[in-house]
Amino acid sequence: KNQVEQSPQSLIILEGKNCTLQCNYTVSPFSNLRWYKQDTGRGPVSLTIMTFSENTKSNGRYTATLDADTKQSSLHITASQLSDSASYICVVSFTSGTYKYIFGTGTRLKVLA
Amino acid sequence: DSGVTQTPKHLITATGQRVTLRCSPRSGDLSVYWYQQSLDQGLQFLIQYYNGEERAKGNILERFSAQQFPDLHSELNLSSLELGDSALYFCASSTTGVRNSPLHFGNGTRLTVT
Repeated sequence: KNQVEQSPQSLIILEGKNCTLQCNYTVSPFSNLRWYKQDTGRGPVSLTIMTFSENTKSNGRYTATLDADTKQSSLHITASQLSDSASYICVVSFTSGTYKYIFGTGTRLKVLA
Repeated sequence: DSGVTQTPKHLITATGQRVTLRCSPRSGDLSVYWYQQSLDQGLQFLIQYYNGEERAKGNILERFSAQQFPDLHSELNLSSLELGDSALYFCASSTTGVRNSPLHFGNGTRLTVT
């Protein structure tokens, strides 16, 4: 069954600290993996996208990694800011007749001053 | 701004009623997706339309229906509403056919059923 699991469910860190969010998937055939940031009450916004051949992709203080062999991805946030408080959603795409998206349930991050 | 517009932003209605949620996709995007997000839950895929035709169905209840019009805007119709239908409903659009095309989300319609 195609699934995307994220951990931890929630995380609280102090401003300025780093953190890493995890995403494990069992999706086949894999097309790409994308991390989204969702502020409370808003629509998700794409942060990074990685295809099968990419190991690392950065977007400012956000760095995503992908290990296609173990089917794991991580999102590392450096020097966290209060505005990083949000839910981070891992989305894996695959093609099965049509192009499909499998969503993880997200990690809720809270950054404290 | 994602370019995806959803209306209304908020909707409060009573059980048993029927509502219509509207979505205008990003300019040039042919695919529209509808998602439901209940409180503290993940996004649940409901249905996808591509250029006016239904392309894929997810966990959409029979009380719910959708359509995409020739101008590519889409409507999600929810009928015989129940308390459990209270949720955020998101619309997303993409340029289907373009590999690695991202989903662009609107800011959702918050539905409250009382």
